[in-house]
Amino acid sequence: DVKVTQSSRYLVKRTGEKVFLECVQDMDHENMFWYRQDPGLGLRLIYFSYDVKMKEKGDIPEGYSVSREKKERFSLILESASTNQTSMYLCASSVGGGGGAAYEQYFGPGTRLTVT
Amino acid sequence: SQQGEEDPQALSIQEGENATMNCSYKTSINNLQWYRQNSGRGLVHLILIRSNEREKHSGRLRVTLDTSKKSSSLLITASRAADTASYFCATDNNAGNMLTFGGGTRLMVKP
Repeated sequence: DVKVTQSSRYLVKRTGEKVFLECVQDMDHENMFWYRQDPGLGLRLIYFSYDVKMKEKGDIPEGYSVSREKKERFSLILESASTNQTSMYLCASSVGGGGGAAYEQYFGPGTRLTVT
Repeated sequence: SQQGEEDPQALSIQEGENATMNCSYKTSINNLQWYRQNSGRGLVHLILIRSNEREKHSGRLRVTLDTSKKSSSLLITASRAADTASYFCATDNNAGNMLTFGGGTRLMVKP
């Protein structure tokens, strides 16, 4: 069974704090993704990575950065958290080859982040 | 930008009835995927249909794809209370490296 885990289910941070969200997958997948989900807006892609130390911007990268030092781990960083970054954050992974959207994505349980 | 748009936004049916959800998209695709999300959880992949396929089945799920109309439908037959969830379609971009999700259909199946 593919497993994607996220470091926290719920997180409360203050405005201006640096926030790290961690994601780990155990299936040796090449591709990893970070999305945020807001009511009525569906999922929006923040960043993705198709290999170690590689990253690509998604639709809404502003205010975020990512790190992929190891194949199984993909971190999302909020350099200075703001209230408009309050959201559900979902990590996903998929096999590589054929592009990151060619195969099914396996999702973690999500981290509900509140910035006050 | 939202490539896929689901319709209806919400659907309420009785157990045993069929549920049909539709997805429309704007630009050409290589594949279209459907996912389910139970309340407050991550998404679970249901079906992937490629642009050269017209119909695909998986258990009680049937997905159709009409590339000429840029639309897809997900049919759940003989629904169960456990099917209560949000359902999302997702399409890939031209480069095939990103998925874009629609806003989802919230399905409630009443026992």
